[in-house]
Amino acid sequence: EVQLVESGGGLVQPGGSLRLSCAASGFSFSGYWMHWVRQVPGKGLVWVSGINSDGSSTRYADSVKGRFTISRDNAKNTLSLQMNSLRAEDTAIYYCARESGGGNVDWGQGTLVTVSS
Amino acid sequence: SSDLTQDPVESVALGQTVRLTCLGDSLRKYAASWYQQRPGQAPVLVLYGQNRRPSGIPDRFSGSTSGNTASLTITGAQAEDEADYYCKSRDFSGHHHVFGPGTKVSVL
Repeated sequence: EVQLVESGGGLVQPGGSLRLSCAASGFSFSGYWMHWVRQVPGKGLVWVSGINSDGSSTRYADSVKGRFTISRDNAKNTLSLQMNSLRAEDTAIYYCARESGGGNVDWGQGTLVTVSS
Repeated sequence: SSDLTQDPVESVALGQTVRLTCLGDSLRKYAASWYQQRPGQAPVLVLYGQNRRPSGIPDRFSGSTSGNTASLTITGAQAEDEADYYCKSRDFSGHHHVFGPGTKVSVL
């Protein structure tokens, strides 16, 4: 059974940093693109970032480019998102998702990030 | 434009058919995928590629694309299909993924 478990969310002040993790199991982690998607409660889904299977290629939404860094450790089956210079508008539930065949076939349950003073 | 547009609300009578649409120029180049999200739950992929359903997704869900429009059809809607539905594709560069704003489906 595929499992994606996010952690690391919480309350942080504007300008602060937070590191999210996603522990993957049940599939060959090193074989897939992985993504972060966020959602303000009650609002729509927003793609944040993606990373290819070996970590050599990364992509970012314009709204987070230069502030967020996606990475992965294939030996530990872990996806990460380092978030710096956080803003109130980064407040959201952050999901990690596995991509296969052009779709995000598996999702975690999400971790809530709240940026507030 | 990399934007995708969806109608905000659709309603369907129990057992009837509803067609959700997703419009965007990038759909002429990249396939759409569709996600169902029930309140308080993570999204679930219901359709991807060329009308492919993940295992466990009922065959009442089907899809098509014509020009700049992708469609998700629910044939014989059930009460459990009441949810938000999002389309997703890429921008023209192919490097960024883009979600539509979502359609809230009510089953009457």
